[in-house]
Amino acid sequence: DAKTTQPPSMDCAEGRAANLPCNHSTISGNEYVYWYRQIHSQGPQYIIHGLKNNETNEMASLIITEDRKSSTLILPHATLRDTAVYYCIVRVLMEYGNKLVFGAGTILRVKS
Amino acid sequence: NAGVTQTPKFRVLKTGQSMTLLCAQDMNHEYMYWYRQDPGMGLRLIHYSVGEGTTAKGEVPDGYNVSRLKKQNFLLGLESAAPSQTSVYFCASSGGTYNEQFFGPGTRLTVL
Repeated sequence: DAKTTQPPSMDCAEGRAANLPCNHSTISGNEYVYWYRQIHSQGPQYIIHGLKNNETNEMASLIITEDRKSSTLILPHATLRDTAVYYCIVRVLMEYGNKLVFGAGTILRVKS
Repeated sequence: NAGVTQTPKFRVLKTGQSMTLLCAQDMNHEYMYWYRQDPGMGLRLIHYSVGEGTTAKGEVPDGYNVSRLKKQNFLLGLESAAPSQTSVYFCASSGGTYNEQFFGPGTRLTVL
């Protein structure tokens, strides 16, 4: 399964953009990159996903490099409530359905 | 809509005891998943289901059994609990192979 590598932690000032990097150099051509976050010990929350084009939704933007070996999640105006563990995940197709292969994630601390 | 709910929220078992964790979703999703999360780690897939009456093994299925008798419910069973099964268990559901997964709040299980 394709693995992802993320920095263990990052700090960001409130109101500034938070840029979270992820390496996925072994990703296959049909595997999507997903981002989830986990606040405290709650269940993970879906943020965004993409295959090879850049994506944007109401929560964040996802920038995927042309060779698809890395990506960056951008939270445009981070707030204190964005403090969480952010997981960059490769979605792997199985015989039936798909699975999300979680790594250790990046702890993002938004500070006032 | 309640989304994905899990019962119970907390449980303490003694080694060798059995129990069943219940996951329910009201989104009419076909796919359901059981994950476990150990301290400082990402989630790992235990078992999953692609529809009523069907189940399949994930990454760490040993010591667990599952059943999907109704589309809205996915049960995870521990026949003989072991301390190594102390973990937080998350259930998730999705509308299809290419849809994002929605997670429940988790069940914190301690096996003494």
